[in-house]
Amino acid sequence: GDSVIQMQGQVTLSENDFLFINCTYSTTGYPTLFWYVQYSGEGPQLLLQVTTANNKGSSRGFEATYDKGTTSFHLQKTSVQEIDSAVYYCAMSDPGYQNFYFGKGTSLTVIP
Amino acid sequence: AQTIHQWPVAEIKAVGSPLSLGCTIKGKSSPNLYWYWQATGGTLQQLFYSITVGQVESVVQLNLSASRPKDDQFILSTEKLLLSHSGFYLCAWSRGNNQAPLFGEGTRLSVL
Repeated sequence: GDSVIQMQGQVTLSENDFLFINCTYSTTGYPTLFWYVQYSGEGPQLLLQVTTANNKGSSRGFEATYDKGTTSFHLQKTSVQEIDSAVYYCAMSDPGYQNFYFGKGTSLTVIP
Repeated sequence: AQTIHQWPVAEIKAVGSPLSLGCTIKGKSSPNLYWYWQATGGTLQQLFYSITVGQVESVVQLNLSASRPKDDQFILSTEKLLLSHSGFYLCAWSRGNNQAPLFGEGTRLSVL
C-alpha cells in the first residue's frame, strides 16, 4: 500500500550546521510530495511542495529534492538556526489529492 | 485571504461522553476539507475528507464520524468517547487538486 517512511526520529544540531532529512515513499506512479513543519502546540505549516514537474523546491532557506529513481525525497538547509527547532514531516498525496500520508516526523533541536 | 478556525481550542471530557469539534473556513468557496488526528508525539493520521457539502469519505474511522453541513463547515463527532480518542485534532483545507492541505491550529482533547 501507499506509505511514507521517515527514519530519523530525532536530530540534534548546533547553529550553522547542515540539516539533511530523508524520506522514502511507496506508491504507484509519481506522487506529489510535501514537507511540513510543526512548532510545539501548533498545527503543521506547509513548508514545501515538490512535484515531478520541478523535482526541487525551496522556501525559507530550506530546499527539497525529489529523486524518482530511488523513490526518495529529502529536505536540507545549509545553516540551521535555533528558531528552526521543530518537528518536520514528509508527506505524500494520492493521485486524487484526497488522501495524504505522513511520515513519523523528525524532531529537530538546534543548540545555540 | 483564507482563514481556518477550529473550536474549541481544548476539551477535557469523560469516557463515554459525546464530542463535537468544529472547523470553519472563510474566504474560499468549495474547499476540500480534511480531519486529522495526532497522538502526543505521533504522526498525523487522516480521518476524513470532503470535497463538497453533504459528502464525507472515511479514511480511518476510530469510532468517529464527520459531517459537512455547510460549504465552509466541517464537524467531527462521536456519541461515546474512548480513552484512545485523546490527542490533537486538526482540520485542514485545500483549494483542490494539486494543492497541499493547510492546517488549522487544532483542538487538544483529553479523555479521562
